[in-house]
Amino acid sequence: EVQLVESGGGLVKPGGSLRLSCVASGFTFTNAWMTWVRQAPGEGLEWVGRIKSKTDGGTTDYAAPVKGRFSISRDDSKNLFYVDMNSLKTEDTAIYYCAADSGRYWGQGTLVTVSS
Amino acid sequence: DAVVTQSPLSLSVTLGQPASISCRSSQSLVHSDGNTYLNWFQQRPGQSPRRLIYRVSNRDSGVPDRFSGSGSGTDFTLKISRVEAEDVGVYYCMQHTHWPPYTFGQGTKLEIK
Repeated sequence: EVQLVESGGGLVKPGGSLRLSCVASGFTFTNAWMTWVRQAPGEGLEWVGRIKSKTDGGTTDYAAPVKGRFSISRDDSKNLFYVDMNSLKTEDTAIYYCAADSGRYWGQGTLVTVSS
Repeated sequence: DAVVTQSPLSLSVTLGQPASISCRSSQSLVHSDGNTYLNWFQQRPGQSPRRLIYRVSNRDSGVPDRFSGSGSGTDFTLKISRVEAEDVGVYYCMQHTHWPPYTFGQGTKLEIK
C-alpha cells in the first residue's frame, strides 16, 4: 500500500522557521519526482516546489512566492522528503501536502499556521 | 507562467445526470516530447486531493469509468457521465508541461442538486 505521511506542522511566528517531513512507502521513492503543494484555508491548490529524482539530476524548482525562503531536499536512504521554510509570513498559512509523480500519490497534509 | 482557467467554478447536478468541467490554458500544453501534461484531481470534503486523470485522458487505477478526460492544445474537459453522491467535491486541473511552476486551475465545486 502506498503511503505518504507528512509531519512537522504547527504554529510559528512571522519570521520564524519550520521543517516539514514526508516519509514514503509502497512505491519506488528513489525514482519519484516529489512535490510540495499547499492549500490556504478555504482556498485552492498551490504548487510550492519540486525535487527531481537523483537519476534525473535531483534539481529543485520553486514557486515565486517561496523562492529564496523555502528549500526542498530528499534522503533516498530513508525515503524522506523535506521542505525547510524560513522567513515565514502569515500568507504561508496552509495545509502542506507532499505528493509524488505529478500527483499520483498524496499525503494527508500537515497544517502550518503563521501567526503572532 | 502557463495560466489555467477552469469553468464553471461551481456546478449543481442532479444525481444520474452528466457533468462537464472545462480547463483552458494560456498556452499550448503540448510538450517538446510530444506528450501533453494535463491532470485532473478530485478533492472530496475534508480529504486530500486524488488524481483521476493524467496526460489528458488516462484514468488512474481505481477511478470509475464514468470519469473521462479529453482535449488537446489549450482546451481540455473532464466529464462525468452520470453523477453519483460520492462525486461531491472540488475538481482541479493542473498542467506540468511548462515549469516552474506547475499550475492549477481555480477549482470547480460540484454539488448535488
